[in-house]
Amino acid sequence: DAGITQSPRHKVTETGTPVTLRCHQTENHRYMYWYRQDPGHGLRLIHYSYGVKDTDKGEVSDGYSVSRSKTEDFLLTLESATSSQTSVYFCAISERADSTDTQYFGPGTRLTVL
Amino acid sequence: QKEVEQDPGPLSVPEGAIVSLNCTYSNSAFQYFMWYRQYSRKGPELLMYTYSSGNKEDGRFTAQVDKSSKYISLFIRDSQPSDSATYLCAMSATAAGNKLTFGGGTRVLVKP
Repeated sequence: DAGITQSPRHKVTETGTPVTLRCHQTENHRYMYWYRQDPGHGLRLIHYSYGVKDTDKGEVSDGYSVSRSKTEDFLLTLESATSSQTSVYFCAISERADSTDTQYFGPGTRLTVL
Repeated sequence: QKEVEQDPGPLSVPEGAIVSLNCTYSNSAFQYFMWYRQYSRKGPELLMYTYSSGNKEDGRFTAQVDKSSKYISLFIRDSQPSDSATYLCAMSATAAGNKLTFGGGTRVLVKP
């Protein structure tokens, strides 16, 4: 998985609780991404980062926030989890921010919100 | 309507057969096209990348893009049970930004 780890790998939580997912990379890549994957929807971009403390919104950012205080770590926070946020979350990294560059994906975090 | 449509399958083929996968899209601005393979409980991995129209071959894999029809294809020759996975197409309008729009994925089963 290209030096990318995600934690936790599985989590079950209750509606209204805060949840933080962590993505850690050892590749020193500048660009990092958070996606969610749901049946029939493929992968949808939540937020991405183009450097330490530099982040921007993706297609489905409502209800999510991110932080990147170090090159190697990108955190995704659900401030108050809802059942609609039950999904598999993938982190990805790339060396450059252009579509000719490969995005490498982590192993995913399976989140269930009851 | 989704920007990128992909038949979810499953597509079941016998070992050795040709697997044919495709995606249709509505955004004529898309120029960069990718195919990702995703094994169960794993993250996607890039298989093929194509810019604009035309064909690209890599081993047993061939990617085709027909921009006039807004249609892309992936062919897998001499399919193996290890090719059993979900295949996702992805595309982008610009080189800058690396923001990809994914199809929903097609699940492929190659039976020995």
